[in-house]
Amino acid sequence: DAKTTQPTSMDCAEGRAANLPCNHSTISGNEYVYWYRQIHSQGPQYIIHGLKNNETNEMASLIITEDRKSSTLILPHATLRDTAVYYCIVIGNEKLTFGTGTRLTIIP
Amino acid sequence: SQTIHQWPATLVQPVGSPLSLECTVEGTSNPNLYWYRQAAGRGLQLLFYSVGIGQISSEVPQNLSASRPQDRQFILSSKKLLLSDSGFYLCAWSPGLVGYGYTFGSGTRLTVV
Repeated sequence: DAKTTQPTSMDCAEGRAANLPCNHSTISGNEYVYWYRQIHSQGPQYIIHGLKNNETNEMASLIITEDRKSSTLILPHATLRDTAVYYCIVIGNEKLTFGTGTRLTIIP
Repeated sequence: SQTIHQWPATLVQPVGSPLSLECTVEGTSNPNLYWYRQAAGRGLQLLFYSVGIGQISSEVPQNLSASRPQDRQFILSSKKLLLSDSGFYLCAWSPGLVGYGYTFGSGTRLTVV
């Protein structure tokens, strides 16, 4: 599976949009981009995933560049409950392998 | 709907004692099953995954083993626990099709003393 690179940490003001970047320059054609988040002492929670097109659901939006080498997860109106570690994962087979993720802190 | 059950939620075991953590999935058949471990302050490490009954793939050499005696049951075991086995253990399942999500259990926090 392709490796991903994310910033170690980010802050975002409550009520503002949180934009979390992810680089996956070695992604191959059949690999999907998944985003999960983990709130302290809980199991990872699925947020969104995509292949080529931008995606939106009730939690977030996923913007994938045309060359698919990077993506951005957007939380449109961040709340304090969005404070968590966010993982960007690229997968094309059975294994879901986590990197170190981005620790997002929402500031009141 | 599909659900995943993992127990116990917390466990304190002495060094050298055996371990058995169980994970079951309901509402689906032939799922892919996974065991992850998260040491304190660290990321999630994939330990084992299984694509079918009796089929176990190990990702890292360690003091643990996994078994899948039934289609929707995944067990993590150890014969003799080490202090370094402490951590947060998570079970997950997926339909086995790329493009479909992975669902995690609530985890077991194991402390080896």
